[in-house]
Amino acid sequence: NAGVTQTPKFRVLKTGQSMTLLCAQDMNHEYMYWYRQDPGMGLRLIHYSVGEGTTAKGEVPDGYNVSRLKKQNFLLGLESAAPSQTSVYFCASRGSSDTEAFFGQGTRLTVV
Amino acid sequence: RKEVEQDPGPFNVPEGATVAFNCTYSNSASQSFFWYRQDCRKEPKLLMSVYSSGNEDGRFTAQLNRASQYISLLIRDSKLSDSATYLCVVRLGGGYQKVTFGIGTKLQVIP
Repeated sequence: NAGVTQTPKFRVLKTGQSMTLLCAQDMNHEYMYWYRQDPGMGLRLIHYSVGEGTTAKGEVPDGYNVSRLKKQNFLLGLESAAPSQTSVYFCASRGSSDTEAFFGQGTRLTVV
Repeated sequence: RKEVEQDPGPFNVPEGATVAFNCTYSNSASQSFFWYRQDCRKEPKLLMSVYSSGNEDGRFTAQLNRASQYISLLIRDSKLSDSATYLCVVRLGGGYQKVTFGIGTKLQVIP
């Protein structure tokens, strides 16, 4: 039962470096989401996708890009990392008729 | 005003105690409500949905008050394993609709 898998689980970046976070789900879910979680801020939506080939901006999209070329994968890119992007990133997926969203285990990213 | 507000706590309660959390939401058009549980350094997981008539799952009871725009979670006979952060989640409607998470209420059950 893989569910939602995020890679990597931990990463340290230098300011200005780029990286891609991968989210993969094996539940044939339509909706996929990227959140960041910061102390005192709760989970904030970065970008989301309602189906293969579609993406949309969430609450805090600046500095991030996403792609969903395959239904099961949702990639989050940081083109030029900044210390303000130090956070825990969670991917989630949900079926179109489901109430429950399933989360990946998170990626702890530190930008120095 | 935040869209979803929760008291961050922590709530420190002894084993066996009953504890209740409230969560208020600002958008009266919100249609779906949930409580998620998040253990330290782990991902959130659905605890229970909240229905208009109120619903119970074992020691957990969730209620919705649309008039006052709040939801509540009651935990009876607290266990050490209930120690976690409880996230209030509000969704505008079905399909893809905006989902807003509260910052979470931290519960620590003490032996």
